Amino acid sequence: KAGVTQTPRYLIKTRGQQVTLSCSPISGHRSVSWYQQTPGQGLQFLFEYFSETQRNKGNFPGRFSGRQFSNSRSEMNVSTLELGDSALYLCASSPGTSGVGGTDTQYFGPGTRLTVL
Amino acid sequence: ILNVEQSPQSLHVQEGDSTNFTCSFPSSNFYALHWYRWETAKSPEALFVMTLNGDEKKKGRISATLNTKEGYSYLYIKGSQPEDSATYLCAFKTASKLTFGTGTRLQVML
Repeated sequence: KAGVTQTPRYLIKTRGQQVTLSCSPISGHRSVSWYQQTPGQGLQFLFEYFSETQRNKGNFPGRFSGRQFSNSRSEMNVSTLELGDSALYLCASSPGTSGVGGTDTQYFGPGTRLTVL
Repeated sequence: ILNVEQSPQSLHVQEGDSTNFTCSFPSSNFYALHWYRWETAKSPEALFVMTLNGDEKKKGRISATLNTKEGYSYLYIKGSQPEDSATYLCAFKTASKLTFGTGTRLQVML
C-alpha cells in the first residue's frame, strides 16, 4: 500500500499571503488529521476530518481551516500568514473508526515545511 | 489545557544499554495512549496504541506499560542500538483530542 503523501514538501510564503497544503491518505483510510510542529510548541493537533466532515478541532485560530474530499484527500488552508506560522505541517491518516487517534494506528506523511518571511 | 509530560527530555546511552522513559498524563477522561518514534528527516512512526489499565505491549526490543489510574506510561528499550536513536513521543487521547508530549530524544552511542 502506498503511504501518506503530502504536497508540496517545502513552501516559502510572505506575511499576509495564504497557503494550501494537500494530503493524500492511505487507500481505504477515511480519517485525516493535521498537526503543526514547531520547535517551541512541539506537535500540536489542528483538526481531524472524517467522511468529509470536521470531526475534531484543536485550539488554533480561524485562519486555519481544512476540508476533505469524497476520495478522503484533504487540504489545509492558512490565510493571512504570520511569521509564527512557520512550521512543519504533518498529516496523518487512519481508518477512522474511533475518532482522532483513538485506538486506530495513525500513519504520518513526510510533512510540508512552511517558511513565512 | 491538557498536560502531557515526558521525561527525560533527552538521553544519551551506550550501545547495549537498556533504557526507559516516562509519559505522564491526566488520569481523567482517558481514551487511549499512543507512542511514536520519530527519526530525524522521517515521519513519526506508530509504536503502540494502549487503551486498558495494566496494558503491556511489545515490539521487538521495545515494550510499553500503562497505568491509567495514576496517569503514566513507561517505554522500555532493551539493548539499545544506534538505529534506536530518535525522538519518542507519547500522545494522550480524550474523546475529541490527541495531545502530544514534547518527546524524549534518545541518542545511542557506539
